[in-house]
Amino acid sequence: DADVTQTPRNRITKTGKRIMLECSQTKGHDRMYWYRQDPGLGLRLIYYSFDVKDINKGEISDGYSVSRQAQAKFSLSLESAIPNQTALYFCATSDHRWEQFFGPGTRLTVL
Amino acid sequence: AQSVTQPDIHITVSEGASLELRCNYSYGATPYLFWYVQSPGQGLQLLLKYFSGDTLVQGIKGFEAEFKRSQSSFNLRKPSVHWSDAAEYFCAVEGGGSNYKLTFGKGTLLTVNP
Repeated sequence: DADVTQTPRNRITKTGKRIMLECSQTKGHDRMYWYRQDPGLGLRLIYYSFDVKDINKGEISDGYSVSRQAQAKFSLSLESAIPNQTALYFCATSDHRWEQFFGPGTRLTVL
Repeated sequence: AQSVTQPDIHITVSEGASLELRCNYSYGATPYLFWYVQSPGQGLQLLLKYFSGDTLVQGIKGFEAEFKRSQSSFNLRKPSVHWSDAAEYFCAVEGGGSNYKLTFGKGTLLTVNP
């Protein structure tokens, strides 16, 4: 079984809809991250969490929110999706050694 | 804040040829450095990392990278490329201290010709 799982893997939605992307991990790591990937822009950090009570904004948090329901679960929400949020979204985890382990990604299309 | 530059957006090499992907970083102290690979339709996989010590680090799949402080570089190399190496490669830097976040370069897409 994969260490970092993301659901759904693909999602098509319409402008204005609320969307939640979920991430679960079995690595026992405290730190979890959400990134988005756009062609030619690499990965950009949206939010990160170092434990259940610690949530921090990344470089592109506007339009997104997160919830750390448990050590193993970290969800990303788009309260009102817009077309420029169409992207590939990755969840990642790490322990104190900073090496990050990535999920398979969620491809989100906002029409 | 730290930054990472990968000067080459796209590189094409022939199978069996050597490969070098460039990465330059901007950070005041010695950062932690990483190379990740993303195969088509996949997530990112760590190839290798540098924290301290020997400046030449070995990774998986026959890759190596050399940290050069004087040039603020961490270039990735492979002596003989295989068709399965076709992928996108990302260099990343972590600034240490209380930062604990990775900053990624924009990636280099590698095409391998038969």
